[in-house]
Amino acid sequence: DADVTQTPRNRITKTGKRIMLECSQTKGHDRMYWYRQDPGLGLRLIYYSFDVKDINKGEISDGYSVSRQAQAKFSLSLESAIPNQTALYFCATSAVGEGGGDIQYFGAGTRLSVL
Amino acid sequence: GQSLEQPSEVTAVEGAIVQINCTYQTSGFYGLSWYQQHDGGAPTFLSYNALDGLEETGRFSSFLSRSDSYGYLLLQELQMKDSASYFCAVLRGGGNKLTFGTGTQLKVEL
Repeated sequence: DADVTQTPRNRITKTGKRIMLECSQTKGHDRMYWYRQDPGLGLRLIYYSFDVKDINKGEISDGYSVSRQAQAKFSLSLESAIPNQTALYFCATSAVGEGGGDIQYFGAGTRLSVL
Repeated sequence: GQSLEQPSEVTAVEGAIVQINCTYQTSGFYGLSWYQQHDGGAPTFLSYNALDGLEETGRFSSFLSRSDSYGYLLLQELQMKDSASYFCAVLRGGGNKLTFGTGTQLKVEL
């Protein structure tokens, strides 16, 4: 079983709809992240959370909100979806590696299309 | 702000050596990471450099020069399965936020 699980894997929705993308992890990590990936733009950080009581905005948080329901669960919501939110969304957890750097572990991604 | 530059595409033949460069501008620099992503897949961690010099892990090596704000990923004995996108990422802000480059698509040909 995957350590970081995202649901759904694919979603098509209409402009103006509210949708939620869910992420759960079995790695026992406190730190969790949501990224979006667009062709030619790499991965951009939307929100991150270092524990259940800690939520922080990333570089592109406008139009998104998050909820950290438990250490293992971190969900991303689009309150009113718009077409330019069509992208591939990744959830990740992280922990400090042997070299002292933060190693991120990604879920398989959710491909979202907003029509 | 932060910026990272890496080539958009690199092509090499099987068995060869390829170097993917990354230059960065950022405040609060902690270290440079590299991630691999196959088409349709999730990014996976390859390496991390906090200090100047070369780190070797099997066929892959990563280099950092903090004074030049520059690093590279070196892939040796290229295999077809190495065809993927490679992202450099700067670790900053307390050592727990990554800013990713736009990625380099590596194509390995026979």
